[in-house]
Amino acid sequence: DAGITQSPRYKITETGRQVTLMCHQTWSHSYMFWYRQDLGHGLRLIYYSAAADITDKGEVPDGYVVSRSKTENFPLTLESATRSQTSVYFCAGTAGTASYNEQFFGPGTRLTVL
Amino acid sequence: AQTVTQSQPEMSVQEAETVTLSCTYDTSENNYYLFWYKQPPSRQMILVIRQEAYKQQNATENRFSVNFQKAAKSFSLKISDSQLGDTAMYFCAFGGATNKLIFGTGTLLAVQP
Repeated sequence: DAGITQSPRYKITETGRQVTLMCHQTWSHSYMFWYRQDLGHGLRLIYYSAAADITDKGEVPDGYVVSRSKTENFPLTLESATRSQTSVYFCAGTAGTASYNEQFFGPGTRLTVL
Repeated sequence: AQTVTQSQPEMSVQEAETVTLSCTYDTSENNYYLFWYKQPPSRQMILVIRQEAYKQQNATENRFSVNFQKAAKSFSLKISDSQLGDTAMYFCAFGGATNKLIFGTGTLLAVQP
């Protein structure tokens, strides 16, 4: 148990719709991350958060919005979904503030945009 | 910017044999960390092994060991006595001055009975 849950596990939506993927943690991870996994690209960082109300862009932030009003929740919103956002999304967290700290991953959400 | 390269998209190994997965990286930082993550068909990301760049000794975790060559910026993973449960996608990752991880594109390992 990595202490991170994601919901939903699977989601199908249509182009142009707003979608929110939820991430909840129970281990008091200070840092939290959103990645997308695509074949041939590995995992790419979308956004991350160092603490409540502190967020920053990763490698592929366009088309996504995040918030972190509470330490335990880190939702990812696709404001107007596009087919290119079809992917598997992972939320991750790390307890420490040093880069050697292991990142713990949630089970992932498979999103399909039609 | 840091980059991580895994040049072997797919590999296959017979059960009980040894296999080595390759990873190279590029960075100008001197202090950093390297990781191998395993992703089985369940999709869960699992940390396999971690290496601190300031340590010359290669990390080992049971059947898993690394060959860390700092000057060559190489970080390969050796799996000994391969088991069917080792079948998975393996990702190499770099952790530097920030808390962000940079992942390679992955190597899909199939362990054959």
